[in-house]
Amino acid sequence: KQEVTQIPAALSVPEGENLVLNCSFTDSAIYNLQWFRQDPGKGLTSLLLIQSSQREQTSGRLNASLDKSSGRSTLYIAASQPGDSATYLCAVRNTGGFKTIFGAGTRLFVKA
Amino acid sequence: DGGITQSPKYLFRKEGQNVTLSCEQNLNHDAMYWYRQDPGQGLRLIYYSQIVNDFQKGDIAEGYSVSREKKESFPLTVTSAQKNPTAFYLCASSIIQGAKGQPQHFGDGTRLSIL
Repeated sequence: KQEVTQIPAALSVPEGENLVLNCSFTDSAIYNLQWFRQDPGKGLTSLLLIQSSQREQTSGRLNASLDKSSGRSTLYIAASQPGDSATYLCAVRNTGGFKTIFGAGTRLFVKA
Repeated sequence: DGGITQSPKYLFRKEGQNVTLSCEQNLNHDAMYWYRQDPGQGLRLIYYSQIVNDFQKGDIAEGYSVSREKKESFPLTVTSAQKNPTAFYLCASSIIQGAKGQPQHFGDGTRLSIL
């Protein structure tokens, strides 16, 4: 059974710092891995989607990597800003099924 | 603008009452999903539908029901059999055809509480 773990559960950093959020999964048979952002009381906004054949994806200050063999993904945020404060969730889509499995998220607070 | 609309934003349920959460999308997506989110936990799949008039149970379907009579709409009913319905409910949609790796798009959620 696929399990997705995100560490740390919460993170507080000063503005301008580069930071890395971690996501690990137990079954490497995935179609893709997706990173989402969730603001309080809101739905999820897709940030980056990495297909199983890809190693990384970039969008602006965000870079996500995928290492299927080790069951790990990282989300790198460069030059963090207070507006980056939110919960970041990763999710994997397994092969041979239609389900997406979500981690519990990392709650990020960027201090001005 | 294309997107997913969930209503209402807040909903209160009395004991023994069924309530229905609305989800409408104008993205022309084939697949739609309902998730439940509890504090400190990841999203858990309640039901999903890949095509009109067809849907499948997710991991926590007990106490819930859905219908998919139109491509744009996927309402979720929380029945009185669901003993712990207080949670944040999220609806999502995605493309399917030949594109298993397409991202899911989410609505803004409905927060359900017990009176």
